[in-house]
Amino acid sequence: DAMVIQNPRYQVTQFGKPVTLSCSQTLNHNVMYWYQQKSSQAPKLLFHYYDKDFNNEADTPDNFQSRRPNTSFCFLDIRSPGLGDAAMYLCATSGQGRYQETQYFGPGTRLLVL
Amino acid sequence: SQQGEEDPQALSIQEGENATMNCSYKTSINNLQWYRQNSGRGLVHLILIRSNEREKHSGRLRVTLDTSKKSSSLLITASRAADTASYFCATDGMDSSYKLIFGSGTRLLVRP
Repeated sequence: DAMVIQNPRYQVTQFGKPVTLSCSQTLNHNVMYWYQQKSSQAPKLLFHYYDKDFNNEADTPDNFQSRRPNTSFCFLDIRSPGLGDAAMYLCATSGQGRYQETQYFGPGTRLLVL
Repeated sequence: SQQGEEDPQALSIQEGENATMNCSYKTSINNLQWYRQNSGRGLVHLILIRSNEREKHSGRLRVTLDTSKKSSSLLITASRAADTASYFCATDGMDSSYKLIFGSGTRLLVRP
């Protein structure tokens, strides 16, 4: 059974046209993450939520925003996609713990910007 | 910023051989994890080793951790073609910030 679900799996958008990627989880985890991964590179953390507390990485461009309306869902909004934003976007979750424990990843959404 | 560097960047072996990947990191950690990523897919957690542990096994996987050298290794024994994937180490920070920092990854190809 899928625990972290990402939709769509593939997304094509036009340069400058806003796009939203979605993630849902059935694990009831407190923490949700969004990563950007470009070809042959490590995942790069964009931001994460601890419950409703939003934590932005210092080098995440303002073009990227996120919403978490409830525990189960989290959205990644790209306000004006550029060609450099074409990448795989990974959502992950983790439970509450004193230290960082296992993260559970969704299958990813591959974004293509035309 | 990237915490871990992995070595080698790419590894090609014959089925049945062992594969060893190494990870080095920069700062003190609470634990270190290894993840696997099949092409075009999400990451899957393989194993977690805590800073007070030196070695851990899971099936055909063996992980070692040397905190004095700030390094870890992942050994896959008796490799199979299905082990072909990218392997990433990931470390946490001591600040309990719920973040992982991933290494650069090793791309493993197991030839049938």
